[in-house]
Amino acid sequence: QKEVEQDPGPLSVPEGAIVSLNCTYSNSAFQYFMWYRQYSRKGPELLMYTYSSGNKEDGRFTAQVDKSSKYISLFIRDSQPSDSATYLCAMSSPDSNYQLIWGAGTKLIIKP
Amino acid sequence: KAGVTQTPRYLIKTRGQQVTLSCSPISGHRSVSWYQQTPGQGLQFLFEYFSETQRNKGNFPGRFSGRQFSNSRSEMNVSTLELGDSALYLCASSLEGVGSPLHFGNGTRLTVT
Repeated sequence: QKEVEQDPGPLSVPEGAIVSLNCTYSNSAFQYFMWYRQYSRKGPELLMYTYSSGNKEDGRFTAQVDKSSKYISLFIRDSQPSDSATYLCAMSSPDSNYQLIWGAGTKLIIKP
Repeated sequence: KAGVTQTPRYLIKTRGQQVTLSCSPISGHRSVSWYQQTPGQGLQFLFEYFSETQRNKGNFPGRFSGRQFSNSRSEMNVSTLELGDSALYLCASSLEGVGSPLHFGNGTRLTVT
């Protein structure tokens, strides 16, 4: 079993829909949680960065961390075709010297 | 601020050859990490350098090596290339490395024939 599980998709939704992307993890020691967006032929771009549990909002994006369920989510409101990309979750803990452990990435397609 | 710059963007090499990839981090960032990304394996950590010292290393063979210079620029070298080394090689920089978010370049696409 991988430390971080993420459904590779693809996830296809109509423009304007609310998108929910999720990762589950097994290591309860994870402290830092990140979401990255990667367009084709580009490097991953940091979207959200949270420490410990709770919610964080930035524009149309909301990141949630539920440490009791070992589950993190990224919500995208009013989705746009330009949001079509692969979304990767990553997390780190002190027992791995804070090296990021990555999900496989979810391919998201927003249909106009 | 300029982002992370990787050169070259594309490379085609033959099996058995060696290759050197270059990375210039964001100004002020002292940590540089290297990753290999393939469709089957996703993002795999190669190594991290901080202040010219390798601080962490992933599970790659010794053919993969790196170094960091005093200006934080970093190079990665792969010797005796194999077909399976074909991948997107990504460099990422961060302020301190430990717990800090990574900022990626657009990678070097290496094709081994």
